[in-house]
Amino acid sequence: EAEVAQSPRYKITEKSQAVAFWCDPISGHATLYWYRQILGQGPELLVQFQDESVVDDSQLPKDRFSAERLKGVDSTLKIQPAELGDSAMYLCASSRWGNTIYFGEGSWLTVV
Amino acid sequence: GESVGLHLPTLSVQEGDNSIINCAYSNSASDYFIWYKQESGKGPQFIIDIRSNMDKRQGQRVTVLLNKTVKHLSLQIAATQPGDSAVYFCAEIRGNEKLTFGTGTRLTIIP
Repeated sequence: EAEVAQSPRYKITEKSQAVAFWCDPISGHATLYWYRQILGQGPELLVQFQDESVVDDSQLPKDRFSAERLKGVDSTLKIQPAELGDSAMYLCASSRWGNTIYFGEGSWLTVV
Repeated sequence: GESVGLHLPTLSVQEGDNSIINCAYSNSASDYFIWYKQESGKGPQFIIDIRSNMDKRQGQRVTVLLNKTVKHLSLQIAATQPGDSAVYFCAEIRGNEKLTFGTGTRLTIIP
């Protein structure tokens, strides 16, 4: 069964350092999402891509977060500089337009 | 603002009994609803979905009911098992494919 792949699974970084997460969606899925989930809460959308184009990044803190999907396949989410409040799980998801959205296992970030 | 909310943050059910998890939504324009199960430390796992033109859909041991009149949906799990213990989220999708989650209900199965 195809899955959304994410790496790294766990990351510990010092505040003010840079960190990056990678996502490989299910093959053929044009829509890709990055979500942030703080412990005890539901996931919140950071950015949504349709192929290589950003559809929605209204909740992305653009002063420190960036996301790209240059070839419309895999994607990278970067945080620079990381802050203590960025500690969370970062989830990637993908879908074919109008169909079920599948999530990866997430990348846990701890900022110390 | 518009949101998807859950009635109860926690639910405890005896093993073998049926579970019902409820969810209210406020946007009548929502096209599509999905229930996800999230186990500790893992990403959300798709359980079942329902489109706004339907009022019921059944899967294996799960049923989703949608009442558009009162903007309410529910997830029914039959004959709950220990492996059903998790946090359950309802989520809604609107026209631009933006998926919005509620806060989740933690289901605990009592042996």
